[in-house]
Amino acid sequence: DTGVSQDPRHKITKRGQNVTFRCDPISEHNRLYWYRQTLGQGPEFLTYFQNEAQLEKSRLLSDRFSAERPKGSFSTLEIQRTEQGDSAMYLCASRKLAGGLNEQFFGPGTRLTVL
Amino acid sequence: QKEVEQNSGPLSVPEGAIASLNCTYSDRGSQSFFWYRQYSGKSPELIMFIYSNGDKEDGRFTAQLNKASQYVSLLIRDSQPSDSATYLCAVNPSGTGNQFYFGTGTSLTVIP
Repeated sequence: DTGVSQDPRHKITKRGQNVTFRCDPISEHNRLYWYRQTLGQGPEFLTYFQNEAQLEKSRLLSDRFSAERPKGSFSTLEIQRTEQGDSAMYLCASRKLAGGLNEQFFGPGTRLTVL
Repeated sequence: QKEVEQNSGPLSVPEGAIASLNCTYSDRGSQSFFWYRQYSGKSPELIMFIYSNGDKEDGRFTAQLNKASQYVSLLIRDSQPSDSATYLCAVNPSGTGNQFYFGTGTSLTVIP
């Protein structure tokens, strides 16, 4: 257990529905990342927050995806009008930049299945 | 061209042998390099990071970086069946701020 939690761990939804995932990072970590991982692939960067500010977003990220981190603590990732291609593991990672240490700690992930 | 490339394997080694995992990257200005281990159905777990050319050792693991060749490798000595997992190489390229690019991973099986 890295201290990063994600909820839910599994989500099954029908195509066209909206889904929202939550990530609670390690409390003193001010940086938070969302990734998507499909079978046989490495994690693909989606977006990044420093405190409550969303500083970077992948150019590949569809407008159906939105993320927030309203108080600089937990974050939510929403997917609107889900498509079967959205089926993947959604990973959250947090990081505290201190003394040059770059380590990201990953949460357990939320596995999304779109029927 | 992908930012980070790895041989997907699978790579099989006998128990006690040295496993060698390789990764190349496209951005010559990249500064930070990471190796993650991912067990099936689990999230990635950091095992090594390296910033400078040369070798970095941590227990049975050695990371090797050659910036001129844009090449980073991971050696696992005295491989154990518990090392069987997918190993992901990740790079923080220059000019991307805080983005990290991952390779597709190399699947390693250590045969008892």
